[in-house]
Amino acid sequence: EAGVVQSPRYKIIEKKQPVAFWCNPISGHNTLYWYLQNLGQGPELLIRYENEEAVDDSQLPKDRFSAERLKGVDSTLKIQPAELGDSAVYLCASSLDSRDLNEQFFGPGTRLTVL
Amino acid sequence: GNSVTQMEGPVTLSEEAFLTINCTYTATGYPSLFWYVQYPGEGLQLLLKATKADDKGSNKGFEATYRKETTSFHLEKGSVQVSDSAVYFCALALGAGGTSYGKLTFGQGTILTVHP
Repeated sequence: EAGVVQSPRYKIIEKKQPVAFWCNPISGHNTLYWYLQNLGQGPELLIRYENEEAVDDSQLPKDRFSAERLKGVDSTLKIQPAELGDSAVYLCASSLDSRDLNEQFFGPGTRLTVL
Repeated sequence: GNSVTQMEGPVTLSEEAFLTINCTYTATGYPSLFWYVQYPGEGLQLLLKATKADDKGSNKGFEATYRKETTSFHLEKGSVQVSDSAVYFCALALGAGGTSYGKLTFGQGTILTVHP
């Protein structure tokens, strides 16, 4: 069974440029999460989707970050414009659903460097 | 708010040594507790979990017991191997009842290096 797929694995951009990350969750998983992981820190939740609905986006900086999960499968996280402080690893995770605290399966992440 | 605190790393051990990584938490309500592991170049993987007080989670020789009285979930292994070298994250998640349901709150991670 394929795991959570993320692309690209690495991205280097200049500040003020836009950037997008893509995530394909495990087949059949209804819940999708985007996390931000700064160097030397644990992941922090940005947004959680139940199917195509964003049910928790309280930590998403909405002035520059946006996300979508059309058709309740793949998801895209966008930053526009990127700032130096956005350099981090962006992780996607999925679970069957959020009832009973089902295990979250993580992708390998996208490492973003903003110059 | 909810938070998780892990012992400072990195931790360096010789093969077959005993491992303890301390983890304490603060939470509103009764969280479930988790240990995730991140091997070099890979995504985070669930190592073990415990959903209520006094539960013991175990996997691959690792164990952790949910201690409500000390708000702790320390990770232990009796004899580490070189292949255990990784970053270990303690985390909590709250149950049903709000938009934060299912949200994992992580500690900062502890780097473990095991030498032959």
